[in-house]
Amino acid sequence: DAGVIQSPRHEVTEMGQEVTLRCKPISGHDYLFWYRQTMMRGLELLIYFNNNVPIDDSGMPEDRFSAKMPNASFSTLKIQPSEPRDSAVYFCASGQRTWNEKLFFGSGTQLSVL
Amino acid sequence: QQQVKQSPQSLIVQKGGIPIINCAYENTAFDYFPWYQQFPGKGPALLIAIRPDVSEKKEGRFTISFNKSAKQFSLHIMDSQPGDSATYFCAASSGSEKLVFGKGTKLTVNP
Repeated sequence: DAGVIQSPRHEVTEMGQEVTLRCKPISGHDYLFWYRQTMMRGLELLIYFNNNVPIDDSGMPEDRFSAKMPNASFSTLKIQPSEPRDSAVYFCASGQRTWNEKLFFGSGTQLSVL
Repeated sequence: QQQVKQSPQSLIVQKGGIPIINCAYENTAFDYFPWYQQFPGKGPALLIAIRPDVSEKKEGRFTISFNKSAKQFSLHIMDSQPGDSATYFCAASSGSEKLVFGKGTKLTVNP
């Protein structure tokens, strides 16, 4: 298996633009997570899905952030409009069961909002 | 509210040394304590994990020590190597509580 695949690896955009991050989880994994990593706040859970259904989006910072999982093999995280403070590394991870199991992370998307 | 406190923020050791990274938690419902290792440009990867029914777990040169009464756990790396240089995250969760990560420790092992 190729692991969790994220695209793009790097994204540079200007304030106010829409940004879409993409994720392909590992086949057979029922859980998908979106994390954001910054120096100040570390790894923050933004939202997670179980069987394509959003379960907890309490970590989504604002209404500017939205996430979808239209099928078991694809998820998107969208920021509209983007702001400089959104600059971070965004990780997608997938897992087979509950929190007490191994998470598999993608390589992340480095987002820079100018 | 930070539920898992990790220290130190950074750590530099010589090759062969034994770096120790400590974590403390507050939620007594936590029953799963993993450590993740992250290399630059990569996502975190599970290194080793422990459940509170044991006080220690070893996997190769990596050991977790767990103190349930103190609500603390730590990672020890025996005979550290330059290839161990990475950022290490402790975490905690239970079946119903979300996995919470510490803020990470950047380890540098000098040759």
